[in-house]
Amino acid sequence: EAQVTQNPRYLITVTGKKLTVTCSQNMNHEYMSWYRQDPGLGLRQIYYSMNVEVTDKGDVPEGYKVSRKEKRNFPLILESPSPNQTSLYFCASSGQGASGYTFGSGTRLTVV
Amino acid sequence: GDSVTQMEGPVTLSEEAFLTINCTYTATGYPSLFWYVQYPGEGLQLLLKATKADDKGSNKGFEATYRKETTSFHLEKGSVQVSDSAVYFCAQSRGGSYIPTFGRGTSLIVHP
Repeated sequence: EAQVTQNPRYLITVTGKKLTVTCSQNMNHEYMSWYRQDPGLGLRQIYYSMNVEVTDKGDVPEGYKVSRKEKRNFPLILESPSPNQTSLYFCASSGQGASGYTFGSGTRLTVV
Repeated sequence: GDSVTQMEGPVTLSEEAFLTINCTYTATGYPSLFWYVQYPGEGLQLLLKATKADDKGSNKGFEATYRKETTSFHLEKGSVQVSDSAVYFCAQSRGGSYIPTFGRGTSLIVHP
């Protein structure tokens, strides 16, 4: 089944403790993105990647890192999480052409 | 810069009512346009798309027409059901890539 898999689905952590949210797609897609969803703010892009080793900042990149060493994986790294990074995070991927994005099921992160 | 504006919600309707959710965009060039739907507790799913002016996207009884002259892509459905209750996001492709820019989302609540 074609899908984007994020892990974990839920995560509670403490301020300053480094964490990684994994994202993997099995569709051989070139494009991958991370978004955060907050009430009243909709979906805001954190980082995106147009292919292996090609990443760029989105609208709200501060406090986040990404890497794209393999085509299928696009992990999101929070080196020193803070409470304002408490949010619902989505990974998404797309191939060439205007086929639209396939989204993962989301990761709900709480930083205390 | 490129942006998408959609009507604020929530939109509250009775079952079998007519639905319109407005969406307008600003962009350089001619983006592809999308509607995504997010059911409670899930990730976003592509609902429909249109890639050029005057194209009509349709799926599950929903329709939207790409109007270049008014830079709009309004979502319509003739008769909504309770199961259509969700958050709807309008999006456009970003520049020459396929990285979408999303609107803030419109919550739809359908009562029996």
